[in-house]
Amino acid sequence: QSALSQPPSASGSPGQSVTISCTGTSSDVGGYNYVSWYQQHPGKAPKLMIYEVSERPSGVPDRFSGSKSGNTASLTVSGLQAEDEADYYCTSYADSNNLGVFGGGTKLTVL
Amino acid sequence: EVQLVQSGAEVRKPGESLKISCKGSGYIFTNYWIGWVRQMPGKGLEWMGIIFAGDSDTRYSPSSQGQVTISADKSITTAYLQWSSLKASDTAIYYCTRPSIVGGIILRVDYWGQGTPVTVSS
Repeated sequence: QSALSQPPSASGSPGQSVTISCTGTSSDVGGYNYVSWYQQHPGKAPKLMIYEVSERPSGVPDRFSGSKSGNTASLTVSGLQAEDEADYYCTSYADSNNLGVFGGGTKLTVL
Repeated sequence: EVQLVQSGAEVRKPGESLKISCKGSGYIFTNYWIGWVRQMPGKGLEWMGIIFAGDSDTRYSPSSQGQVTISADKSITTAYLQWSSLKASDTAIYYCTRPSIVGGIILRVDYWGQGTPVTVSS
């Protein structure tokens, strides 16, 4: 069982917005602004999409945004495109593991 | 261009040993940490440990402590992940990474290797 809780699946039609949640505790997500999100296409290595809750690396489209409220972080993908279909993982610094903990992942389907 | 190039797929029997590698290039190897992330079949990601290439300071996740050994050879800009006695449950894809770490906290992982699949089966 993963330390952070994500819905196993999410979906949306092209052009729509979808939000993926990542729920932890005050000892990880809620206690620190060190939440990152990674996108992983089948057979590929993960790719950084968001770091420090809401920062976007260069090259990542601004359709991807991150936020946090209490113990729950969220990744929003606006203007869904077919290539956004992938698995998404959140991770956070945690008191219990100084390397950080991951969520179980959410499979995003573009209908 | 920063690159992390990992060794190829491995198949071993339970009880056997294994050492996989990750060669860094395109940056000053000794200035950065290298981390290892496990992904079991159909499952999520999990940190195993990190090593600072400059002085081999190593930190393990609680679940990996005592189960694997992480090392680095800065003369050939290569990091390693090794097992002395594999179990079937070690079957996974192992990614090497170059995390950005400040104050002992992993802020993000900008660079990933291509992954090394390891299969442990009798």
